[in-house]
Amino acid sequence: GQQLNQSPQSMFIQEGEDVSMNCTSSSIFNTWLWYKQDPGEGPVLLIALYKAGELTSNGRLTAQFGITRKDSFLNISASIPSDVGIYFCAGPRNGANNLFFGTGTRLTVIP
Amino acid sequence: GAGVSQSPRYKVAKRGQDVALRCDPISGHVSLFWYQQALGQGPEFLTYFQNEAQLDKSGLPSDRFFAERPEGSVSTLKIQRTQQEDSAVYLCASSLFDRDYGYTFGSGTRLTVV
Repeated sequence: GQQLNQSPQSMFIQEGEDVSMNCTSSSIFNTWLWYKQDPGEGPVLLIALYKAGELTSNGRLTAQFGITRKDSFLNISASIPSDVGIYFCAGPRNGANNLFFGTGTRLTVIP
Repeated sequence: GAGVSQSPRYKVAKRGQDVALRCDPISGHVSLFWYQQALGQGPEFLTYFQNEAQLDKSGLPSDRFFAERPEGSVSTLKIQRTQQEDSAVYLCASSLFDRDYGYTFGSGTRLTVV
């Protein structure tokens, strides 16, 4: 079945550093989404990608839809303490109207 | 309302007890989803409504789980005869139209079964 693996599982970085994380799938996705979840809250949508090869930015965040449609990358530049949280990639299940979420990358930013 | 509202925020239930979790989606949002998030995991799909119609309940783990959205707005997720493995955060999300994947999630209900 579909599976979304995220790496790394967790990251500890210094404030001001850039961050890269990725998401790989065993099957093709036609849409990729990146969400961030703060403790005690629901996930919040950061970036949506709809086309293979697409590169999209949202402030300090940049995400790319891999050419093979089996992976996606999220980069955060000049990290700040409020970037702390868990980042999830997600994609629509085959033929369904719901999302399949990855395993998550937990980011800790050290001031 | 401005966001998706869920209640209660926390629920402790004794094993075997029935619970009801409420979701108040953004006004006018057609699609409503319930997800289950176990500790340290990503959200897992439970069920989907388009207005009042439950179009997909393939993610419900057992027949102890039941969801409804009778008037196409507020939804209730009911779990009968709760078991310890039901302990999780239950997230509700809504979106404006079908195939709009930019969900707005609520803050969730953390259910602990003791």
